[in-house]
Amino acid sequence: EIVMTQSPATLSVSPGERATLSCRASQRVGNNLVWYQQKPGQAPRLLIYGASTRATGIPARFSGSGSGTEFTLTISSLQSEDFAVYYCQHYNNWPYTFGQGTKLEIK
Amino acid sequence: EVQLLESGGDLVQPGGSLRLSCAASGFIFSSYPMNWVRQAPGKGLEWVSGISGSGGSTDYADSVKGRFTISRDNSKNTLYLQMNSLRAEDTAVYFCTKPPPPPYARLGSYYFDYWGQGTLVTVSS
Repeated sequence: EIVMTQSPATLSVSPGERATLSCRASQRVGNNLVWYQQKPGQAPRLLIYGASTRATGIPARFSGSGSGTEFTLTISSLQSEDFAVYYCQHYNNWPYTFGQGTKLEIK
Repeated sequence: EVQLLESGGDLVQPGGSLRLSCAASGFIFSSYPMNWVRQAPGKGLEWVSGISGSGGSTDYADSVKGRFTISRDNSKNTLYLQMNSLRAEDTAVYFCTKPPPPPYARLGSYYFDYWGQGTLVTVSS
């Protein structure tokens, strides 16, 4: 099983600033990596697939990068609606595994 | 419009059974593999199980293998999860998920572009 490790667990950032979230895979997963955003009481929302492709309707301030084992989600200028929990997940093969999440909170 | 509507969540005693359903609409259900993902209260996401479009191939997380069975009825556009020998640690919201349109590199190599709203399973005496 591939272990996904996200850092940091919590990130405090002010609105308008940049946020950088990291995700590491214990084995190479190519670019088979997605990022989801989840707000309380809601289902996760797809942000990025293929490590760097924005999903339909996702603002350009969200960007993903990386391949192999190291991945990054960057939010260039935080808006109030961006404060949420972010998960990475590999989809290289079953079993899929998720990172434990990064909570992005308002500083 | 794609819709995934889970149902069947309930309070059940340890050792009990429950069957979850996910009614799908807005896409050609039989053409898509489907999966269940769960989230324990206040915790992260955990993939539970997946099934191919025909239903002929399935896989499970080790934590549920031998206790849960995924299935589908393509004539009813419905996905199921039969959960037996339930444990307290199975308490979670269970989400039904759909991947983007095929083709896929291989079975088990796709992400989820739609999620249902989830159904809560509580295992407690």
